[in-house]
Amino acid sequence: GENVEQHPSTLSVQEGDSAVIKCTYSDSASNYFPWYKQELGKGPQLIIDIRSNVGEKKDQRIAVTLNKTAKHFSLHITETQPEDSAVYFCAASSHSSGSARQLTFGSGTQLTVLP
Amino acid sequence: GAVVSQHPSWVICKSGTSVKIECRSLDFQATTMFWYRQFPKQSLMLMATSNEGSKATYEQGVEKDKFLINHASLTLSTLTVTSAHPEDSSFYICSARGRGSGNTIYFGEGSWLTVV
Repeated sequence: GENVEQHPSTLSVQEGDSAVIKCTYSDSASNYFPWYKQELGKGPQLIIDIRSNVGEKKDQRIAVTLNKTAKHFSLHITETQPEDSAVYFCAASSHSSGSARQLTFGSGTQLTVLP
Repeated sequence: GAVVSQHPSWVICKSGTSVKIECRSLDFQATTMFWYRQFPKQSLMLMATSNEGSKATYEQGVEKDKFLINHASLTLSTLTVTSAHPEDSSFYICSARGRGSGNTIYFGEGSWLTVV
């Protein structure tokens, strides 16, 4: 099955700096890679996703890059703000025997933006 | 994006009782719903996958008789924790995908279960 590794587990940056979180995956058949932001006591919120036919996607201060050959993808947050502080999870999709797409999650990164 | 609603957001129950958590897709038809469990400071652990109108597929190590999942309609799935024990205390999260969600998976807000 799919295995997703995420680094770093914790990341502190100064407000205004950039933050980068990296993930690797094992299943070359995976073709969908979402990123979720989870605030304390809440469910994960989708912030950006990328599919395998695209190498990069950007949405305002957030961007994701995908390298299918190397099987890694990264989240980039520019001009960080204190409200960006949260746990971020990467994920990769694989198909179960029932054809329902399942997400395999990384272990999460606690991002702290220092004012 | 699409909206997935979970209820209740938190619940306290006594050991030995059962508790039901609802997951609703509000603006799309959820052909597939997923149930996760999350312990503090840990990642999400998939418990089961359910397709509308069929039995749920449970992950290895998850007791299907203890965690009953029903996905009877395209907008509602329920997770019932039966004969709850304190070790069942956790954060339970559902997610859904389907027609109208663009194949994207959206998560509910989560439900805190405390068994005393």
